[in-house]
Amino acid sequence: SQQGEEDPQALSIQEGENATMNCSYKTSINNLQWYRQNSGRGLVHLILIRSNEREKHSGRLRVTLDTSKKSSSLLITASRAADTASYFCATDAGTSGSRLTFGEGTQLTVNP
Amino acid sequence: NAGVMQNPRHLVRRRGQEARLRCSPMKGHSHVYWYRQLPEEGLKFMVYLQKENIIDESGMPKERFSAEFPKEGPSILRIQQVVRGDSAAYFCASSGAGETQYFGPGTRLLVL
Repeated sequence: SQQGEEDPQALSIQEGENATMNCSYKTSINNLQWYRQNSGRGLVHLILIRSNEREKHSGRLRVTLDTSKKSSSLLITASRAADTASYFCATDAGTSGSRLTFGEGTQLTVNP
Repeated sequence: NAGVMQNPRHLVRRRGQEARLRCSPMKGHSHVYWYRQLPEEGLKFMVYLQKENIIDESGMPKERFSAEFPKEGPSILRIQQVVRGDSAAYFCASSGAGETQYFGPGTRLLVL
């Protein structure tokens, strides 16, 4: 198994509902980042949370980090059809400017 | 401020040919990363470069793959004698002094 595993693998909800995606990792990290990828497109950076932070908000996004459990969650509130995409967590275990280790992603489908 | 640029967006090669993928980082960014994404999978780190230096190439296959980031011009990921297993999306990311990596749209390589 690998660093950065998301669950669920796939999530289907109705517009207006909240979506929660989880990510677990194995080693100590410097920070954890969440990205979104629309089908066949590049990655869009959503939010970065550092190892000394526990929660962060950005618009309809809320990210939590529990370093004792080596896990993070991404909550999207009041979802929209445009939120349909794959969501990846990525961990940075080194100093600034080092490699990211990605999970396999959660495919979110928001039905209108 | 233009984002990370990659070209070509799509590349078709026959087995045994060479593939050259180019990446221009965001203005002011001196760190470049290459990642590979196989279908239905997350991104896998390949190499991390700064101007004229390879910092971490631990994710690069031992043979046929090379990368450079010259003093002038874009970063180049070169794959010699391509095989069908090289078919994937190749993403470039760049960062500045901070930790956030910004991704380009990717190059989708198809080896026939």
